[in-house]
Amino acid sequence: GDSVTQMEGPVTLSEEAFLTINCTYTATGYPSLFWYVQYPGEGLQLLLKATKADDKGSNKGFEATYRKETTSFHLEKGSVQVSDSAVYFCALSATGGFKTIFGAGTRLFVKA
Amino acid sequence: NAGVTQTPKFRVLKTGQSMTLLCAQDMNHEYMYWYRQDPGMGLRLIHYSVGEGTTAKGEVPDGYNVSRLKKQNFLLGLESAAPSQTSVYFCASTPTGGRNSPLHFGNGTRLTVT
Repeated sequence: GDSVTQMEGPVTLSEEAFLTINCTYTATGYPSLFWYVQYPGEGLQLLLKATKADDKGSNKGFEATYRKETTSFHLEKGSVQVSDSAVYFCALSATGGFKTIFGAGTRLFVKA
Repeated sequence: NAGVTQTPKFRVLKTGQSMTLLCAQDMNHEYMYWYRQDPGMGLRLIHYSVGEGTTAKGEVPDGYNVSRLKKQNFLLGLESAAPSQTSVYFCASTPTGGRNSPLHFGNGTRLTVT
């Protein structure tokens, strides 16, 4: 079945450091790919998405590119802030379906 | 602009007790979902609904029941709570079932079963 694998955390960075959180997937067909962010005590909210190969999703300085050849959707940000501390979830929604499959989540801590 | 609202925010139950979690959305979305979130496991789909009056099982439905009597509300019931149901529960909605529609989440209910 479909699945999402993302790097284990926690990831601890200093402010202004470069961030990469790896995400790979397996799916039949052509899924849409998402990154969601969860701040402490809140629900998940959409960070960015990409719906076809080579699409780049971006928002709030975060970017991720849909790589079909490597089945990956890695999240990057050039300069993290303390306010970026949160849990990040990679997810896919498969072709012809509406069920979203989530990765286990990666907790990010950013130190001032 | 409430979006998806879940009540209650916290609850503690004893084993064998029952309870209902309420989810309400004001976005006129057709699809609604209940997920549970456990450490290291991401979110897993419990039940979902593709419209008023419909429900279907997700990945981990055992021990839960749901109802969607009104389009805006989706209820999750635990008839006889067990410690394995200690979790954070999230309700979500989407306007349609298309794969491009992102989920809109509530803020969650933290349930502890002792």
